[in-house]
Amino acid sequence: DAKTTQPNSMESNEEEPVHLPCNHSTISGTDYIHWYRQLPSQGPEYVIHGLTSNVNNRMASLAIAEDRKSSTLILHRATLRDAAVYYCILSPGTSGSRLTFGEGTQLTVNP
Amino acid sequence: EPEVTQTPSHQVTQMGQEVILRCVPISNHLYFYWYRQILGQKVEFLVSFYNNEISEKSEIFDDQFSVERPDGSNFTLKIRSTKLEDSAMYFCARRLAGAYEQYFGPGTRLTVT
Repeated sequence: DAKTTQPNSMESNEEEPVHLPCNHSTISGTDYIHWYRQLPSQGPEYVIHGLTSNVNNRMASLAIAEDRKSSTLILHRATLRDAAVYYCILSPGTSGSRLTFGEGTQLTVNP
Repeated sequence: EPEVTQTPSHQVTQMGQEVILRCVPISNHLYFYWYRQILGQKVEFLVSFYNNEISEKSEIFDDQFSVERPDGSNFTLKIRSTKLEDSAMYFCARRLAGAYEQYFGPGTRLTVT
């Protein structure tokens, strides 16, 4: 599995945007970029995924670099409920593929 | 978001005993997964299940583990002879047909004493 690199932790203030970076320099042409998050004492939760183009959904936006070697998850207005570990995961284009979780980024949201 | 339930929420068992963890997904999901997370560690893939067969398994998924979908709805993970190191949160996940995202259940906390 191609490797991703994320900062161990980040802090944000409530109501402010948060940009969570992910480097994936060894990404292959068919790898999708997935983001999941895990709130305390809960299972992982799907956030967003993309291949080449930027993506938006009700939870977040995903900005993918033109060379696809990095991406950024954007939370437009952080809330206290967004405090979680955020995982950037590469997964091959076959829809049955496993998810390989790394350490992720622990996001702290300050009131 | 499709809902998945897992039972029990917490299982305590003695070393050497068999345990069965259950997942109840929505019936039109074709792909099912089991992951585990030892306290303070990463989420680890165990096995994927497609069309009533194992499609992929990790090195963790040894002969002590088995999965099945006995009645066409419940998806089970059996650990035949539990060890202390099997203590973890076990998450079931499922994937909609044609989609890429996985939806996880709330997990079963397994404690082996």
